[in-house]
Amino acid sequence: NAGVTQTPKFRILKIGQSMTLQCTQDMNHNYMYWYRQDPGMGLKLIYYSVGAGITDKGEVPNGYNVSRSTTEDFPLRLELAAPSQTSVYFCASSYEQGSYEQYFGPGTRLTVT
Amino acid sequence: GENVEQHPSTLSVQEGDSAVIKCTYSDSASNYFPWYKQELGKGPQLIIDIRSNVGEKKDQRIAVTLNKTAKHFSLHITETQPEDSAVYFCAASRKTGSARQLTFGSGTQLTVLP
Repeated sequence: NAGVTQTPKFRILKIGQSMTLQCTQDMNHNYMYWYRQDPGMGLKLIYYSVGAGITDKGEVPNGYNVSRSTTEDFPLRLELAAPSQTSVYFCASSYEQGSYEQYFGPGTRLTVT
Repeated sequence: GENVEQHPSTLSVQEGDSAVIKCTYSDSASNYFPWYKQELGKGPQLIIDIRSNVGEKKDQRIAVTLNKTAKHFSLHITETQPEDSAVYFCAASRKTGSARQLTFGSGTQLTVLP
C-alpha cells in the first residue's frame, strides 16, 4: 500500500491564479480530510468527506472547494489564490470503524506571491 | 467549538531523561484524544491515543494520561532517544454529525540532546 499520496510536493502561485492539490489513498478508507498547517501552528481542518459524493466544510473552508467522485480521490481546489493561503496542506484518510486513526500524506507546500 | 491548548511550545531534554507535554481542551463532549508525531518534511503520524473511558494508556516508552474532570491530558515519553526529536501534536475530537473532527494543539518541538 502506498497509503496517502499528494501531488505536487511544492508549488508557487501568483496572486489570483488557481490550482488543484491532488490526494489519493489506496486503503479503501471512506473518510478523507484536508488540513492546512501554518508555521508554528497546529493543523486546521478545511474540508472533509465521509464518502463518495459527500463533502462538508471544516473550520477554515473559505477560498477552497473540494469534490469526491471516487473513494480514492479527494482533490482540493484553490480559486483566486491569495497570500493568506500560503501554507502546508495535508490530506488524511481514516476508516472510522474501530480505530479512529487518521493517516496523513506527506504534504504540499504552497507559496502564493 | 473545541479549543485545545498545548504546552510547552519547545522542550529540550537530555538523552535518557523523560519528557512531558500537556494539553487542555474545552469541549466536555470530546471523547477521543490522539497524539501525533511530525518529523521534518513529513506528515503527522499517530503514536498513541486514548478514549474518554480510559484514564491511562501505555505503549513501551510512551504513555498518555487523561483527566476528564479537569479536561486535560498529557504525553509522557521515558528514556528519551535522539530519534524522539520531532514536533508533537495533541488533538481532541468528538463525533459531530457523520464525521469525527480533530482539533489540534499548536505543537511542541521536542529536542533530545545526546
